[in-house]
Formats: sequence, structure tokens, C-alpha cells
Amino acid sequence: GEDVEQSLFLSVREGDSSVINCTYTDSSSTYLYWYKQEPGAGLQLLTYIFSNMDMKQDQRLTVLLNKKDKHLSLRIADTQTGDSAIYFCAESLRDTGRRALTFGSGTRLQVQP
Amino acid sequence: SQTIHQWPATLVQPVGSPLSLECTVEGTSNPNLYWYRQAAGRGLQLLFYSVGIGQISSEVPQNLSASRPQDWQFILSSKKLLLSDSGFYLCAWSGGDQETQYFGPGTRLLVL
Repeated sequence: GEDVEQSLFLSVREGDSSVINCTYTDSSSTYLYWYKQEPGAGLQLLTYIFSNMDMKQDQRLTVLLNKKDKHLSLRIADTQTGDSAIYFCAESLRDTGRRALTFGSGTRLQVQP
Repeated sequence: SQTIHQWPATLVQPVGSPLSLECTVEGTSNPNLYWYRQAAGRGLQLLFYSVGIGQISSEVPQNLSASRPQDWQFILSSKKLLLSDSGFYLCAWSGGDQETQYFGPGTRLLVL
């Protein structure tokens, strides 16, 4: 079945690295995504990784994928106060024909100055 | 470039009243369109998706409905709102066989 889980809350100090974790259950996932939601706003696509990759880096963001453990992580280097938001992990399952994403419940990142 | 719009941004409606939320997409043709609901402090629940004009798939049984009268237009409706319909409604699009979804700014609905 489809189930994506994330921890609810993470607090870090400005300048530190943040690591947000996600686990998923369906091994047929094709793409895995990270979205950012600021208060009162829609979801902003941050990055995504194809399931045959194990790492992707994009400026301050590093995504690690462990397919064996079905574990996805997002590392934000040099975390800034502007990074405070809710971060959603999502998986895409091509085989279902549904063409929709299954989202985790989101991790609220709080960056303390 | 592609843009996605939603309106209204905020809506306060009494229980039992009708609802119409609109989503439009510019800069792309034949997009897949999605309606999600986000309850307070929760993740996103897929409500409807559409792969073309007049083609709507419903994910959960409820008192909401969706329509796609134009390729670029996706409407979420209800004949009679319930208190439990309160939430943040997000529209998203993806292009053809591409799976990545891009979200609109959302509509916050409060049913009193």
C-alpha cells in the first residue's frame, strides 16, 4: 500500500544543517519529491529524485535515497531563518495509473536565530 | 512559462451554502489537474484529478464534485457545505506524462 511518514517537527539553529527524514512503503515509486510550504501559501517544489538515483545535490539541498530501507532524506546546509516552513515528502507511483502523488503529513522546520 | 491561479484566496461560508472554487492554468496545453485538501496541521488529501476536458476521477466519497469545462479550467463545487469541508484547498497541474506537480497558491475555506 501507499504510506509516507515523516516526523512532525524539527528545530535547528541558524547556520546549522537540517536533516528531514521520510519513509515510504511502496517499492514501485518512480519519483520522490520534496515540497516546501510557507504559512498560508501553496506548495513550492524544492527538488525531486528519480528512484534509480541515490543522491542529488542542488546548491544547499542534498537528497539521499536508500531504496533498500525505503528512506528519503533532505539535508539543508547553512540553514537560514527563511527556511522555516513545513516540508512535505511525496512519492509518485506510475503503475497505479492514478498520476497523483502521495504526501507525508509534513515536517515543520523551525530555525532559531 | 506556466502559471496556475486559484480564487478566491479566502472564503467564509455558512453551513448548507453552495461552493465554487476555480483553478486555471496558463502556458501549457492538456495538463493533468488535481484538487487536494489540507486540513489544519495535516498533510494533503487528493480529492479529484482530471486528465482532460470532462474527465474527472474522484478519490474519496464526499459532498464535493469537480468539473473541467475547459482544458485550462478546473472547478471544485458543493451544493451544501458541511463544517468538515473547512480547510485549505490546493490545485495542482502536471504536464502530460510528466509526474511532477506544480501547485497554486491555495484557497482557505472556513465553513461556519
